[in-house]
Amino acid sequence: QVQLVESGGGVVQPGRSLRLSCAASGFSYSSYGMHWVRQAPGKGLEWMAVMWYDGSNKYYADSVKGRFTISRDNSKNTLYLQMNSLRVEDTAVYYCARDQRNYGDYGYFDYWGQGTLVTVSS
Amino acid sequence: EIVLTQSPATLSLSPGERATLSCRASQSVSSYLAWYQQKPGQAPRLLIYDASYMATGIPARFSGSGSGTDFTLTISSLEPEDFAVYYCQQRSNWPRTFGQGTKVEIK
Repeated sequence: QVQLVESGGGVVQPGRSLRLSCAASGFSYSSYGMHWVRQAPGKGLEWMAVMWYDGSNKYYADSVKGRFTISRDNSKNTLYLQMNSLRVEDTAVYYCARDQRNYGDYGYFDYWGQGTLVTVSS
Repeated sequence: EIVLTQSPATLSLSPGERATLSCRASQSVSSYLAWYQQKPGQAPRLLIYDASYMATGIPARFSGSGSGTDFTLTISSLEPEDFAVYYCQQRSNWPRTFGQGTKVEIK
């Protein structure tokens, strides 16, 4: 079965960096685009970034462009989110999610991880 | 960016009742709209995509309709497990955006 497991969250001071990982299993990881979506405590969902199945394209939300970098290692079935210059408002649960269709970015999310909490606080 | 506005914010209903949730887009998204269900402490679950297509394993009591700027998620007869928060999401434009959510609570 499809499984996505995030890790790397924790408490970090403003201005510092953190790298999240998402380990995928149960499907052909290298065939699917992958996304990061976050949810601030008690708030709604916010799409962050996507990377194509082969790493050829990536897009970001304006709120994180230039600070966050999405990447993937298809040999390790793992997705990453490098978060730099963190702000208090980046505090959220970060989910990785699989794109619904393979070989492209269809733009919907059919499998989600359980999320990892990032708390940015001094 | 496309803003999705969901209404109502909260819907108070009893099991067995029909739920009608609305999502309005700030500009046309054609039929490129999905609905998700999220329960406390859980990740969202894809229910409906491209406005009216049911995702895999979703019960038939869930249905979606609409196109352009106005969309509806209908739950024909609420089961106890359907009380949750529902989000709409568009894939028409970058960035992908979500509505603010509608909470369906037990009356």
